[in-house]
Amino acid sequence: DVKVTQSSRYLVKRTGEKVFLECVQDMDHENMFWYRQDPGLGLRLIYFSYDVKMKEKGDIPEGYSVSREKKERFSLILESASTNQTSMYLCASSPTDRGNQPQHFGDGTRLSIL
Amino acid sequence: AQSVSQHNHHVILSEAASLELGCNYSYGGTVNLFWYVQYPGQHLQLLLKYFSGDPLVKGIKGFEAEFIKSKFSFNLRKPSVQWSDTAEYFCAVRGGGFKTIFGAGTRLFVKA
Repeated sequence: DVKVTQSSRYLVKRTGEKVFLECVQDMDHENMFWYRQDPGLGLRLIYFSYDVKMKEKGDIPEGYSVSREKKERFSLILESASTNQTSMYLCASSPTDRGNQPQHFGDGTRLSIL
Repeated sequence: AQSVSQHNHHVILSEAASLELGCNYSYGGTVNLFWYVQYPGQHLQLLLKYFSGDPLVKGIKGFEAEFIKSKFSFNLRKPSVQWSDTAEYFCAVRGGGFKTIFGAGTRLFVKA
């Protein structure tokens, strides 16, 4: 079974800090994604990556960056955390396919910025 | 641009009631459609998916969904809900490319 592991379930940081959220998958998937989940807004895509060192902006990339140095690991970076980045962050992975494969999600990181 | 609309944000049902959650999408081409479920404190997981063939698809735990192309809809159904179905349900659409667009979610609460 696919396992997507996010490094922290809960994280509290201060405004202005640089924050790293880590995600590791164990199924050799090419594609990895970062979403934020907010009540009433569903999941919104921040960034995704379809290969090592490749990244693409999603719908809400402002204030975030990502890193994919190894196939199994995809990091989300908040360059200078702000209170409006308080949210649940979800990582997902999927294999390269014709579009009919689902994404596999981690448990999420609930991030609070004070 | 692709978009997904889920009709209800909150649904409250009694056990044994029937469930139908609406989902409409906007996309002009061929789509792959998904329903995901997130139980309290758990990660999102796939409930069912449609990509071709029979428009009535069956998923886990007695759920099914019907793809009606002419209505751009992919509604989720279950004939008799259980307390354990309390969760948040997300409809998702993937057209060309890597991106999957998720609806805002529907929170279902089933009264025991």
